[in-house]
Amino acid sequence: AAGVIQSPRHLIKEKRETATLKCYPIPRHDTVYWYQQGPGQDPQFLISFYEKMQSDKGSIPDRFSAQQFSDYHSELNMSSLELGDSALYFCASSLGPSGGASSTDTQYFGPGTRLTVL
Amino acid sequence: AQTVTQSQPEMSVQEAETVTLSCTYDTSESNYYLFWYKQPPSRQMILVIRQEAYKQQNATENRFSVNFQKAAKSFSLKISDSQLGDTAMYFCALPGGSEKLVFGKGTKLTVNP
Repeated sequence: AAGVIQSPRHLIKEKRETATLKCYPIPRHDTVYWYQQGPGQDPQFLISFYEKMQSDKGSIPDRFSAQQFSDYHSELNMSSLELGDSALYFCASSLGPSGGASSTDTQYFGPGTRLTVL
Repeated sequence: AQTVTQSQPEMSVQEAETVTLSCTYDTSESNYYLFWYKQPPSRQMILVIRQEAYKQQNATENRFSVNFQKAAKSFSLKISDSQLGDTAMYFCALPGGSEKLVFGKGTKLTVNP
């Protein structure tokens, strides 16, 4: 079965540079989530999209932006990179929210993009 | 706000034995799902099992099963016949509003030969 695809898998950037991470959800999934996982930490929610509209926002720095395109793929744009942005960035996809906080939609994760900021 | 607590930072088990990982949570929702994800050294996040809160029957997936106690807000994961490939970080997760997942801090499980 097709899984979530993320590219690139590894990315090395200098401070103050810009990075773009891409996510291709499982076919027919219309919801995309972005998470950031620092070393030794649990994943932290950044932002999500449903049907190309932002559906929720977490602890995402103003330097980051994201969008979901008409083919449902999503891109996370990160500018003015800082050393602290070094982390594993996951994208997950699911089949649409069921409403409220009662989720019937299982999130499937991509392999992640490992970002290193030097 | 939803919270998830995993009180065992690390655990170890001998191959072929059984181990139980604990998770407690807090939510104001009456209908929700709970998840266990596994993160092996490759750092891929892999869904292990999910439980629907309105179902009394505990979920089972091959060697993995849960003990779901809704009133106690407890959701433990039992791994039977542990295998070396089960060595991983295990995260308990709960939807935290607008479907985003809230994770516990994780339990690092080591299966010894």
